Amino acid sequence: NAGVMQNPRHLVRRRGQEARLRCSPMKGHSHVYWYRQLPEEGLKFMVYLQKENIIDESGMPKERFSAEFPKEGPSILRIQQVVRGDSAAYFCASSPSGVTYEQYFGPGTRLTVT
Amino acid sequence: AQSVTQLGSHVSVSEGALVLLRCNYSSSVPPYLFWYVQYPNQGLQLLLKYTSAATLVKGINGFEAEFKKSETSFHLTKPSAHMSDAAEYFCAVSDESNDYKLSFGAGTTVTVRA
Repeated sequence: NAGVMQNPRHLVRRRGQEARLRCSPMKGHSHVYWYRQLPEEGLKFMVYLQKENIIDESGMPKERFSAEFPKEGPSILRIQQVVRGDSAAYFCASSPSGVTYEQYFGPGTRLTVT
Repeated sequence: AQSVTQLGSHVSVSEGALVLLRCNYSSSVPPYLFWYVQYPNQGLQLLLKYTSAATLVKGINGFEAEFKKSETSFHLTKPSAHMSDAAEYFCAVSDESNDYKLSFGAGTTVTVRA
């Protein structure tokens, strides 16, 4: 049973470009969560999605960040017009229905903005 | 909002010695509590979780943690360290109102000396 898949593993963008991070949940999981880890800090919750629905985006920056989880395909975290402060590791997690606290994490995407 | 404090960002132990990683959380209401381990360039792997059952929780790889409500603590221990335990360890707690929203400590890096 494949775990949570994330790609790319490493992403380099210049300031002002767009970054797209993809996450495929574990088989059978319909709940996806995105977290961000800044250097020397723990993971911070960003957003919780179910298929075609954003359930809680209280941790998302108000501008430039968006997330989706379409009916078909992976969840996407999109960062427009990246700035150096967006450099971080972005982790995706998934959970089965009914046990949303039991989250399984992917390997993360390390975004570097130059 | 929950906050999690991990005492000591780096811990060094000798192989065969006790591993003790400290975690305190802020909530007065016992939430769900977790310990995750992260090996280099990998995602977070769940070591163990507390979900209001036994206060002493056993996890994988010989780790265990004890929930102490009076001290709002959830310290992680392993009686005898192995070289393969070298990794970063994160304590996490679920939000009281939304249990899918995990708050993480800043992490403790464990090195094991031969």
